[in-house]
Amino acid sequence: DIQMTQSPSSLSASVGDRVTITCRASQSISSHLNWYQQKPGRAPNLLIYATSTLQSGVPSRFSGSGSGTDFTLTISSLQPEDFATYYCQQGYSSPPWTFGQGTKVEIK
Amino acid sequence: QVQLQESGPGLVKPSQTLSLTCSVSGGSISSDRYYWSWIRQPAGKGLEWIGRISASGSTSYNPSLKSRVTISMDTSKKQFSLKLSSMTAADTAVYYCARVLGSGSAWVKNWYFDLWGRGALVTVSS
Repeated sequence: DIQMTQSPSSLSASVGDRVTITCRASQSISSHLNWYQQKPGRAPNLLIYATSTLQSGVPSRFSGSGSGTDFTLTISSLQPEDFATYYCQQGYSSPPWTFGQGTKVEIK
Repeated sequence: QVQLQESGPGLVKPSQTLSLTCSVSGGSISSDRYYWSWIRQPAGKGLEWIGRISASGSTSYNPSLKSRVTISMDTSKKQFSLKLSSMTAADTAVYYCARVLGSGSAWVKNWYFDLWGRGALVTVSS
């Protein structure tokens, strides 16, 4: 199975900060990397698919980049509603599909 | 718009079989564009993919759960279901159903979960 490792596990940031979360795959997954946001008590919500394509309705302050094994999610200017946990997920070809362990973004 | 809703018992005894159903409303479950998946999340922990099914009934399961999992499809009812046998406390989690969509070339697609149900909390306890 392809293992996904996110860093950091948690971070503290202020409104307006630029935030970057990293996701590393245990083998190359081309551009088959997706990002989700999850707020407490809610289901995950798709933010970005195929590394850099924003899901409809997702604010443009979210962006994704990378290829192969190393990927990043960037929030250009953190807003109050962005405090949540973020998960990466590899969708490379055949299952099993796997998630990173999550990065919790907290208020500084 | 398309919505997914999980249903089933919230409490299961150890060694018993969990049965959950996901009902799809506002859209087709029969399209060959999608797979349909189950994913779970223990309290305070990350997400674990359980398995997927196509409208034609083709399945794929997480190897870590494969011996205990069955996912089935009833397109006439617009539902798909999860059965997980030999439940233990370690299976206590919120169980989500989700729609799976593929992007990219026909040869090698990127698969992602574009719609999720609200989740169903399942507790394993005697």
